[in-house]
Amino acid sequence: EADIYQTPRYLVIGTGKKITLECSQTMGHDKMYWYQQDPGMELHLIHYSYGVNSTEKGDLSSESTVSRIRTEHFPLTLESARPSHTSQYLCASSEWDSGSGANVLTFGAGSRLTVL
Amino acid sequence: AQKVTQAQTEISVVEKEDVTLDCVYETRDTTYYLFWYKQPPSGELVFLIRRNSFDEQNEISGRYSWNFQKSTSSFNFTITASQVVDSAVYFCALNNAGNMLTFGGGTRLMVKP
Repeated sequence: EADIYQTPRYLVIGTGKKITLECSQTMGHDKMYWYQQDPGMELHLIHYSYGVNSTEKGDLSSESTVSRIRTEHFPLTLESARPSHTSQYLCASSEWDSGSGANVLTFGAGSRLTVL
Repeated sequence: AQKVTQAQTEISVVEKEDVTLDCVYETRDTTYYLFWYKQPPSGELVFLIRRNSFDEQNEISGRYSWNFQKSTSSFNFTITASQVVDSAVYFCALNNAGNMLTFGGGTRLMVKP
């Protein structure tokens, strides 16, 4: 059973619309992430957060913005969607495993966005 | 900088064949962690295994096995007696303490009945 939830799973919208992709996790993880996945499969980190009120840009420049007002919630917003934003967006969260020293990410099911 | 390379973009096998997915990584860190994730058609990434750089012992879990070779910077994944349900995209990934995960480009595995 998923502990990280993304809505909507699928969204088709017209150019210029504002959209928000929701991501919530019930595991109390401090770190959260947004990845954009090309149709060609590659995953690119676009945003991450170390905790409440912390947001950072990832490796891939993105016109989207994020917020982290609550630990469990990390929404992603596009103010004016364009066809180039068509992609799958994957949300993830993680906590530090002090035993192994590793940072294991748990992913949501993804939001597939199509902008016409 | 970290880099993960999965040279095989797509592999097609017939059910019951064994298949190995290759992963080669680059990092300057002495302490790092390697991962494999599976992405079935439903879309989510499912964690399969984590390995730290100090543990070169190979691991077997059912039909899955992983071969970590530090000398060649490789962390290959073998599925024995493949099944149709193994069809998915598989990602190898790398991070070091506190850093973000760097993913390889993924390998799409198709297992035909």
